Amino acid sequence: NAGVMQNPRHLVRRRGQEARLRCSPMKGHSHVYWYRQLPEEGLKFMVYLQKENIIDESGMPKERFSAEFPKEGPSILRIQQVVRGDSAAYFCASSPTQTGELFFGEGSRLTVL
Amino acid sequence: KQEVTQIPAALSVPEGENLVLNCSFTDSAIYNLQWFRQDPGKGLTSLLLIQSSQREQTSGRLNASLDKSSGRSTLYIAASQPGDSATYLCAVASGNYGQNFVFGPGTRLSVLP
Repeated sequence: NAGVMQNPRHLVRRRGQEARLRCSPMKGHSHVYWYRQLPEEGLKFMVYLQKENIIDESGMPKERFSAEFPKEGPSILRIQQVVRGDSAAYFCASSPTQTGELFFGEGSRLTVL
Repeated sequence: KQEVTQIPAALSVPEGENLVLNCSFTDSAIYNLQWFRQDPGKGLTSLLLIQSSQREQTSGRLNASLDKSSGRSTLYIAASQPGDSATYLCAVASGNYGQNFVFGPGTRLSVLP
């Protein structure tokens, strides 16, 4: 049973470009979470999704950031018009139930030049 | 708003010692608490999950306890090994549906051979 798969592992973008981060949850998991970890800081909750629904996006910036988890395919975290402050590690986690054990991917490290 | 703290921020011990890591949270209305380890540049590995109705969980040399009323959890590591060196994070699940996992800042552990 493969774990949570994230890609790309590393992504470099110039200011103003778009970044798309993908997350495939563990098999049988329908709950997906995105977290951001800034250098030397803790993990901050961004968004919680179930298939085709955003359940809680209270941690996501109102502008430029969006997330989806379609019926088919991976969950996508999209950052439009990236700025240097978006440079961080973005982690995806999945869970079999709403309050179940979280399993994390290896993260996608975004660098904005 | 749930806040999670961890003490100490960093810990260095000789191999073989037993040690305790502490996690505190401000809102006792949690669904569960989970301990993770994170190696540099890597994702998070789940260690133990304690449901809100449980007092402790054990896995190998690890034992985690939960005292909801006082807002505390401890992670006990027996007979520490150099391979235990990592950052240890606790996370509490709160929010309307238990969907919001709030992380502590972590304890950076170094076990010296």
